[in-house]
Amino acid sequence: EPEVTQTPSHQVTQMGQEVILRCVPISNHLYFYWYRQILGQKVEFLVSFYNNEISEKSEIFDDQFSVERPDGSNFTLKIRSTKLEDSAMYFCASNRRSSYNEQFFGPGTRLTVL
Amino acid sequence: GDSVVQTEGQVLPSEGDSLIVNCSYETTQYPSLFWYVQYPGEGPQLHLKAMKANDKGRNKGFEAMYRKETTSFHLEKDSVQESDSAVYFCALSGSGGGYQKVTFGTGTKLQVIP
Repeated sequence: EPEVTQTPSHQVTQMGQEVILRCVPISNHLYFYWYRQILGQKVEFLVSFYNNEISEKSEIFDDQFSVERPDGSNFTLKIRSTKLEDSAMYFCASNRRSSYNEQFFGPGTRLTVL
Repeated sequence: GDSVVQTEGQVLPSEGDSLIVNCSYETTQYPSLFWYVQYPGEGPQLHLKAMKANDKGRNKGFEAMYRKETTSFHLEKDSVQESDSAVYFCALSGSGGGYQKVTFGTGTKLQVIP
């Protein structure tokens, strides 16, 4: 069964450093998302991406964040200058065009900012 | 904006007990409703869904009825098993095709006592 994959599973970085989180969505999916989950809290929407542009973004997704689909398979989230409060699990998700928007989530990348 | 409320942070039934996990939602759109399940170290997985009022989502003995009049989508099971232990998130998204962000509740940790 196809699945969303994410790398790395755990990333440790120093405050102020840039990080890139990588995702490979399911191959025939057209819509891509990033969510984050701070430890013990709910999953929060960051950004949606379709046709090589951002469709919607949340208040969390400020100028420090960017997304890119550099080739036909990868989907990346970049944080330019990490802050302590960026420490969280980051989940990538994707879906086909459908009437009920069933999104498939990856296993997540745990980002720890020291 | 959209919101989903789960009133129980944790429930501790014994194996064989019946279960109700409460979920209410608020939105200006006609949403699709979901329950996602999350196991330790994994991303959220779709557990069940309902697309319109009076639909009942079902999966592995769990049920949830889409009640538009009370804006609720409670998760129920007649007899829980230890293997049901996980975190359950109630969620909603727009019902249109294409990209629609998912709005999650805060989650209910189900710990079934053997």
